[in-house]
Amino acid sequence: GQNIDQPTEMTATEGAIVQINCTYQTSGFNGLFWYQQHAGEAPTFLSYNVLDGLEEKGRFSSFLSRSKGYSYLLLKELQMKDSASYLCAVTAGTASKLTFGTGTRLQVTL
Amino acid sequence: DAEITQSPRHKITETGRQVTLACHQTWNHNNMFWYRQDLGHGLRLIHYSYGVHDTNKGEVSDGYSVSRSNTEDLPLTLESAASSQTSVYFCASSESRGNQPQHFGDGTRLSIL
Repeated sequence: GQNIDQPTEMTATEGAIVQINCTYQTSGFNGLFWYQQHAGEAPTFLSYNVLDGLEEKGRFSSFLSRSKGYSYLLLKELQMKDSASYLCAVTAGTASKLTFGTGTRLQVTL
Repeated sequence: DAEITQSPRHKITETGRQVTLACHQTWNHNNMFWYRQDLGHGLRLIHYSYGVHDTNKGEVSDGYSVSRSNTEDLPLTLESAASSQTSVYFCASSESRGNQPQHFGDGTRLSIL
């Protein structure tokens, strides 16, 4: 089975750093994706982790601990345009299909 | 540029009607997926396909069907629309090798009255 948990909402200030957590309990866990979704738009791919550790992409980084069933997305130097929902999703076994968490809505304020 | 397009973008229909949502991708991806997105539930998988003539049920497949007659298209059919199927529907595609990211269409907002 699959169980993925993320906080529902977060608020942070422009220029700050925010960490969005995702915990999962997934049989046959393979890898974890992060997507960004602005209101009324399609999800867009941000990052993928399959091994333990940190993956950095510009202002965004994603971390995975397979033993703890835990990931986080780190957003640095927050900008107003980062206000969006952030979706954590996992794959299991050899399947390419994703199971999504309910998403975290991030509000960036001045 | 390769893309994935959904049509229509918005649709209003009545309960009991058959509805088909189109999804067309020019990435030449083998994998295609249909999701619905509702408040409090996130994205939930309806059906998916790993290639021509292959279809599989997802988490919330009751009342929906798909067919895959070519690589580019995966239409989603609601056999007899119900008000509980009012939602935003997203189609996505991905390469078949390894764990490749899925590319999403812009979505179809479906209202069933």
